[in-house]
This record gives sequence, structure tokens and C-alpha cells, in this order.
Amino acid sequence: AQKVTQAQTEISVVEKEDVTLDCVYETRDTTYYLFWYKQPPSGELVFLIRRNSFDEQNEISGRYSWNFQKSTSSFNFTITASQVVDSAVYFCALSEMGRGAQKLVFGQGTRLTINP
Amino acid sequence: DAMVIQNPRYQVTQFGKPVTLSCSQTLNHNVMYWYQQKSSQAPKLLFHYYDKDFNNEADTPDNFQSRRPNTSFCFLDIRSPGLGDAAMYLCATSYGTGVDTEAFFGQGTRLTVV
Repeated sequence: AQKVTQAQTEISVVEKEDVTLDCVYETRDTTYYLFWYKQPPSGELVFLIRRNSFDEQNEISGRYSWNFQKSTSSFNFTITASQVVDSAVYFCALSEMGRGAQKLVFGQGTRLTINP
Repeated sequence: DAMVIQNPRYQVTQFGKPVTLSCSQTLNHNVMYWYQQKSSQAPKLLFHYYDKDFNNEADTPDNFQSRRPNTSFCFLDIRSPGLGDAAMYLCATSYGTGVDTEAFFGQGTRLTVV
């Protein structure tokens, strides 16, 4: 069965610190996609990144970077120079094929609080 | 501009009284999903529509139903809400069936059952 584990339930740091959110997944599929979503207090899930199982290149987007390591089944997310606006719940998710459409299996989420 | 719109944002209903949550989209996506997210938990897929085809998750209770009268709208009906159904309900849409598909989420409806 597909499973996503985010071991860190809550993280609290001071603004400008770097912070890494961990994500470990389990799947028997050879082709799969991993996602990160951000859920601010307003409630919607905001798409951050998608990574396919064949692409292990790290990705950087501004202050955000992602480290995908297939050997350890991990897809970690780092925020550099964190800001108060980064405070949110972050979900890692694994995509599997449902009946005719995608199904996202989410981790439990990490609540990130950035303190001024 | 919001692309997936859920109404209302907050809904209070009485125990056992049917309630309907609505979702509309301006993306013309062919797939619409309903997720349930209980407090401090991950979103859990209830069901989805691929065009007009309804696909129920195996563990979704019969108490939950859905309707999709057209491409733009999808409704979640809870026939007899119990206290355990209090949660955030998230609607999402996507285009296509690929495993890489990006889902677009609405802001959710927070349901309280009293």
C-alpha cells in the first residue's frame, strides 16, 4: 500500500532560519509522482512542486528547494531564510492511479510556525 | 481570481439534518474530487468524478453522496450528519488522468455538526 510519512508534526523556528521538512514514502509502483502542498490558515491547499520518480535532480525555486533521494525514499523540502508568511501546514503527497484519475495519498502534515 | 470556489466557507448543521456543500470551478477540468480533512489530519479522498462517471472510495460511508450536474459544479451531500462528520471538506479539480496531474484545491468548507 502507498504510504507517506511526515515524522515532524510541528516545527517552530525564528524568522530567517533555514528549516527542512522531512517526507518519506512507500510505494511498489515504479512510476509515481511526489508533491508538496502548502495549507495556509485560509484553508486551501496550494501546489508547490511535483517530482516524478525518474527525476532525482534537486530543484530550487527562490527560497524553496527540494531534495529527492530514491535510495532512501525521501523527498525533503527546505525553506531558506524563512519568513513569517511561510507559516502554514505543509503536506507531502504521493500520487497513485485510481480508477481513471489520480489519487493523492497525503502525509499527516507538518505545521510550520515562523516566529518574528 | 479563485478558480475552485467552495460555498459556504463555514457551515453549521444539526445532527441528522441533511446538508449540501457546493463546489464550482472555472478551469473546465474534467475531474472533480472531494476530500475530507479532520482536525490535524491529512486530507482523505472520499470520491471523484471523471466527467460524469462517479468513483467512490471503498471506505467512504454511504452517508456521503455526490452530484455533478455539469462540468462546472459538484455537490457533496451528507444525508444524516453525525458528530464524527465534522471536518473541513476540500474540493479539487484536475485535467486529465495522468499520475502527474496537478490538483487545484478550493478553500474548503468547514462543517460543524451540533
